[in-house]
Amino acid sequence: SQKIEQNSEALNIQEGKTATLTCNYTNYSPAYLQWYRQDPGRGPVFLLLIRENEKEKRKERLKVTFDTTLKQSLFHITASQPADSATYLCAPHTGGYNKLIFGAGTRLAVHP
Amino acid sequence: DGGITQSPKYLFRKEGQNVTLSCEQNLNHDAMYWYRQDPGQGLRLIYYSQIVNDFQKGDIAEGYSVSREKKESFPLTVTSAQKNPTAFYLCASSDLLPLTGPGRNTEAFFGQGTRLTVV
Repeated sequence: SQKIEQNSEALNIQEGKTATLTCNYTNYSPAYLQWYRQDPGRGPVFLLLIRENEKEKRKERLKVTFDTTLKQSLFHITASQPADSATYLCAPHTGGYNKLIFGAGTRLAVHP
Repeated sequence: DGGITQSPKYLFRKEGQNVTLSCEQNLNHDAMYWYRQDPGQGLRLIYYSQIVNDFQKGDIAEGYSVSREKKESFPLTVTSAQKNPTAFYLCASSDLLPLTGPGRNTEAFFGQGTRLTVV
């Protein structure tokens, strides 16, 4: 069955450093993959979408890579700030009938 | 303002009761989704729909029911058959997701959630 894995342990980093979060998927080949941010008690908010024919996508301090051979996407936040502290979710497209599913998310804590 | 609205924000249910959570969107989106989130956990898909009068079971549909009589509305009923309904429920909508790229970008928009507690 299709499976999405994100590191369940929280990632703690110092302000100004680069945060790198991982999303691995198995048993399917998504045409594209989305990343979302979720703050406590709120719904997720879309950040970036990357297609299978794109190796890298950037938006301000965010960078996403997509390696279809490794079946992995990496999400980077450069020059991280305490305001970046949140849970980050990946959503590789499942291909069938508009089904949108998410990884469990990785919680990021940026310390001053 | 365009957006997606869930109501109520907090809901209390007695054991054995059915309750219905409301989800309305004015974004003209074809696709709508319901998710359940337990503390410290990810989003689990309950039901989803891509067109009026059609919907599909997600990964945890048992004990839930939905309807899609209007494009703007996708209510979720938590039935008494759901053994552990206490959770945070999120509704989302999007354009129909493209199967392959390149295509138009799409993103899911989420409501503010309904926190359901069984008392």
